[in-house]
Amino acid sequence: GQNIDQPTEMTATEGAIVQINCTYQTSGFNGLFWYQQHAGEAPTFLSYNVLDGLEEKGRFSSFLSRSKGYSYLLLKELQMKDSASYLCAPMDSNYQLIWGAGTKLIIKP
Amino acid sequence: GAVVSQHPSWVICKSGTSVKIECRSLDFQATTMFWYRQFPKQSLMLMATSNEGSKATYEQGVEKDKFLINHASLTLSTLTVTSAHPEDSSFYICSAAEPGQGAGEQYFGPGTRLTVT
Repeated sequence: GQNIDQPTEMTATEGAIVQINCTYQTSGFNGLFWYQQHAGEAPTFLSYNVLDGLEEKGRFSSFLSRSKGYSYLLLKELQMKDSASYLCAPMDSNYQLIWGAGTKLIIKP
Repeated sequence: GAVVSQHPSWVICKSGTSVKIECRSLDFQATTMFWYRQFPKQSLMLMATSNEGSKATYEQGVEKDKFLINHASLTLSTLTVTSAHPEDSSFYICSAAEPGQGAGEQYFGPGTRLTVT
């Protein structure tokens, strides 16, 4: 079956760094996406990894290891507005995104 | 980035009535749009893939006669929840991908919160 495993909730301090891990099992693989979703709002696209390695985009970076079925999202210089849920979404062989429940990130001053 | 709008943003209706939700791509043409439903603290659930000019493709377990999808133009898809019941209360979100971008980098509408009383 298809499965995504992320921590349910994480807490971090403003200005710090946090890493949100994601392990996945899918039928085929066509890349992995990270989305941010604030409470009561729709998701917004953050990053896409299809090859192994680290992709950096400003304060956010995303890493992928296809052989391990593992990805992480790294957030630096945390700001209060980063409080949100972060969704790891791999794409299967049918080019369909597989959604998990996400990780709720709480930023404290 | 591409912009997707959704209307209404929230709606309250009585049990047994029907509700129509519109999804529009404002600055690009979307041959494919996606409709999701999300219950509190749960993951997004894909309901159907809406294809312009053809019938929608529904996911397993989604009643196509209850959730009517129409994709009449390259910028508009509609979802009609027919004979709504309280268990249909949820957050409905549409999304679209820009042509050539594939189905992964989706741009989401702001969502419609439906409450059925």
